Amino acid sequence: GAGVSQSPSNKVTEKGKDVELRCDPISGHTALYWYRQSLGQGLEFLIYFQGNSAPDKSGLPSDRFSAERTGGSVSTLTIQRTQQEDSAVYLCASSFLFGLGETQYFGPGTRLLVL
Amino acid sequence: QKEVEQDPGPLSVPEGAIVSLNCTYSNSAFQYFMWYRQYSRKGPELLMYTYSSGNKEDGRFTAQVDKSSKYISLFIRDSQPSDSATYLCAMPNSGNTPLVFGKGTRLSVIA
Repeated sequence: GAGVSQSPSNKVTEKGKDVELRCDPISGHTALYWYRQSLGQGLEFLIYFQGNSAPDKSGLPSDRFSAERTGGSVSTLTIQRTQQEDSAVYLCASSFLFGLGETQYFGPGTRLLVL
Repeated sequence: QKEVEQDPGPLSVPEGAIVSLNCTYSNSAFQYFMWYRQYSRKGPELLMYTYSSGNKEDGRFTAQVDKSSKYISLFIRDSQPSDSATYLCAMPNSGNTPLVFGKGTRLSVIA
């Protein structure tokens, strides 16, 4: 079946603009995760959604970052007033359930460049 | 100290070599240990995962966990150019928290 898809694949924006990144998880997966991957920093957890529960936002670096998941499926990560340090690859992953040992399936990522 | 430490490399080896990739971790609560492989401009994909100490083998890949030393390894036998990628170790925290990743080791296998 189809894997996790993300759009756009690349995004160039000017400092101060808002951006929206989209994630389509694997159908039937209840858990959805956002990570950020920067050069030399590895993957950094941002936020996750599990079913109808309130999202865990503990990894969001500032209040300029927010995310929502509509209808338990598609998710949008929004970055307001982008800064140059926001430049990174934003990765989305989904898993069938949430729990220890659950395999997370990653999308190809959105490469964000803030000029 | 970061929860998971991984040498970023880069590591360059000739085709056919045995590769050893390693991570150390500080949280003794970690129970599952995963290795992800990430090709350039792609998302990570799960390669292997193990639970508890010991070895697990899958083809040319062997994952090894030493909980007493908080040290995990991934060995690649008869390495191939197609193994050239970044390898990330990852561990789920206990409770409802997502994966904690190492920074990844970039591997190049030269034909």
